[in-house]
Amino acid sequence: QKEVEQNSGPLSVPEGAIASLNCTYSDRVSQSFFWYRQYSGKSPELIMSIYSNGDKEDGRFTAQLNKASQYVSLLIRDSQPSDSATYLCAVIRGYQLTFGKGTKLSVIP
Amino acid sequence: GAGVSQSPSNKVTEKGKDVELRCDPISGHTALYWYRQSLGQGLEFLIYFQGNSAPDKSGLPSDRFSAERTGGSVSTLTIQRTQQEDSAVYLCASSPGAIGAYNEQFFGPGTRLTVL
Repeated sequence: QKEVEQNSGPLSVPEGAIASLNCTYSDRVSQSFFWYRQYSGKSPELIMSIYSNGDKEDGRFTAQLNKASQYVSLLIRDSQPSDSATYLCAVIRGYQLTFGKGTKLSVIP
Repeated sequence: GAGVSQSPSNKVTEKGKDVELRCDPISGHTALYWYRQSLGQGLEFLIYFQGNSAPDKSGLPSDRFSAERTGGSVSTLTIQRTQQEDSAVYLCASSPGAIGAYNEQFFGPGTRLTVL
């Protein structure tokens, strides 16, 4: 079983819709979870971090964590074409980030 | 600048040559990380520094890879006798610390290495 799994997509949503990105992880002791956005040809950019069960909101982004189900998600409200990118889920194991392969999101104008 | 910087941005080399990649972390960040991203592959952890020490070198792919950090700041990743499979984007990240929220890692722009 892969340590961090994401649907590779592509996920296509119309402009203004909610994009839902999902991630599961295998290591039950993981305590810190991150979402990175990566535009083509660019490096990953940290957009959300979450450490406790429940929801965390930051502007149009909401991260959701369920440690019992080993599940992390990212919701993007009012999706914009500029949100089109690959979204990487990352899980801390000790000090080391383990990344999923990413989900490619396309927001259609 | 306030972010992580890396140089060079692009490096083309011939098989068998040595290369050095440089990373300058965010000021005050004690933890520094090197990752590698190959075409179509995920991000692969290489090495972690806390201060000038590297507690974990297990991610380095072979003994041709080495890294050092001096003054708790700049780090250099060296690849000796480069091979074509070393071609990738090498990413450096830094974080304020290495525990919990202090481990929010911020990435530099990367060095794209091409081995001919």
